[in-house]
Parts: sequence; structure tokens; C-alpha cells
Amino acid sequence: DAGVIQSPRHEVTEMGQEVTLRCKPISGHNSLFWYRQTMMRGLELLIYFNNNVPIDDSGMPEDRFSAKMPNASFSTLKIQPSEPRDSAVYFCASSLNRVGGEQYFGPGTRLTVT
Amino acid sequence: AQSVTQLDSQVPVFEEAPVELRCNYSSSVSVYLFWYVQYPNQGLQLLLKYLSGSTLVKGINGFEAEFNKSQTSFHLRKPSVHISDTAEYFCAVSDWGSSNTGKLIFGQGTTLQVKP
Repeated sequence: DAGVIQSPRHEVTEMGQEVTLRCKPISGHNSLFWYRQTMMRGLELLIYFNNNVPIDDSGMPEDRFSAKMPNASFSTLKIQPSEPRDSAVYFCASSLNRVGGEQYFGPGTRLTVT
Repeated sequence: AQSVTQLDSQVPVFEEAPVELRCNYSSSVSVYLFWYVQYPNQGLQLLLKYLSGSTLVKGINGFEAEFNKSQTSFHLRKPSVHISDTAEYFCAVSDWGSSNTGKLIFGQGTTLQVKP
């Protein structure tokens, strides 16, 4: 199994530009999670999906952030417009929705907004 | 609501010494606990998990953790650490029973610094 795949691995963009992060979960997993990690705030859950349906987006910092999961094998996290304070590492994780199911993390996308 | 507290933000230790990383949890439903490790510039990977049964759980790389219900703790231990164990360690509790969606509640992380 290839594990959770994220692209791009690194993204450098200018303030005001649109940024799209992509995630392919492990085949057969039905829950998908987007996290953001910074030195200041640690690991934060932004949004998660179950069977492609968003369950809780209360962690999304503001309306500039949006996430979609059009099918079981693909999800995007979009930031429009981006700001320097969005600079962070963004992780995608997937899991089987079952008792005690662990999450499998992707390698992350390091986003730098200048 | 579930919560996790990792009592130490940084733990410095010399190579080959034992280490304990502390984790306390709060949960009003069935308890499922996890420890993850994050090496520099990588994603999190599972070290071990407790679902039920024996309170002593063994994981990868020689780590083990003990579930203590009365003290609501799930401390991680290793009898002899290596330089390669330098990483950030996260304790997590499952939100199952509250949301039934596989959501995990993570602690703030503990940085283990192994010195030669």
C-alpha cells in the first residue's frame, strides 16, 4: 500500500494567491482528516470527512479556507486568498471508521506564504 | 468531552538511559489510547495503541505504554533510548462513542531530545 499521498510536498506562494493542497487517502478508508501544524499552535484539526461528507469544520480558521472530498479517493484543501500567517505544515490523515481505528498520516505539505 | 494532557513539553535524556513520557487523559466514554511519533520533516506514525485487555502495551522500536485507569494515565516508556529516538511524541485518545467517526484528540506533544 502506498499510504496517504499528499501533493505538493512544498509550496511557496505570494500573499493573496490561491493555494490548493491535495490528498489521496488509503484505499478503503472512509474517514479523512486535515490538520495544520505550527510551532506556535502545535497540531490542529481543521476539518474531517466521513464517507466523503464533512462532519466537523469547526477547526477551519476562517472563510478563506475550504475543503472538499468529491470522492472516496481524493480531497482538497484550498486557501483563497493566502496570507503569511497560513504558513505551516498541512497534514492529511485517513482511517477506517471503526472502534479503535488508528489514523494514517501523509508526509505533509510545507506551505510558505511570503 | 475527551482531552489529553502531555505533562512535559521537552524531555532531554542521555543515550542508553531510560525515559518516560507522561500522558493523562479525560474521557467520559470507552477509552482507546494511542501514541504517535513524528520524526523531523515527516508525518506522524503509530507507535502503539490500547483498545482493551492487557494494560501493558508493546509497540515498535522497543517502546511500551501502560494504561492506568485509576490514574487516567497512559505513560510511554523505553528502557534504553538511542539517538535515533529523537523526535516529537504525541499521545491521543479516540473520540469514538462521542462522534463515532475515528476522530482523535491529540495532546500538545513532547519533544524527546537524546544526547550522546
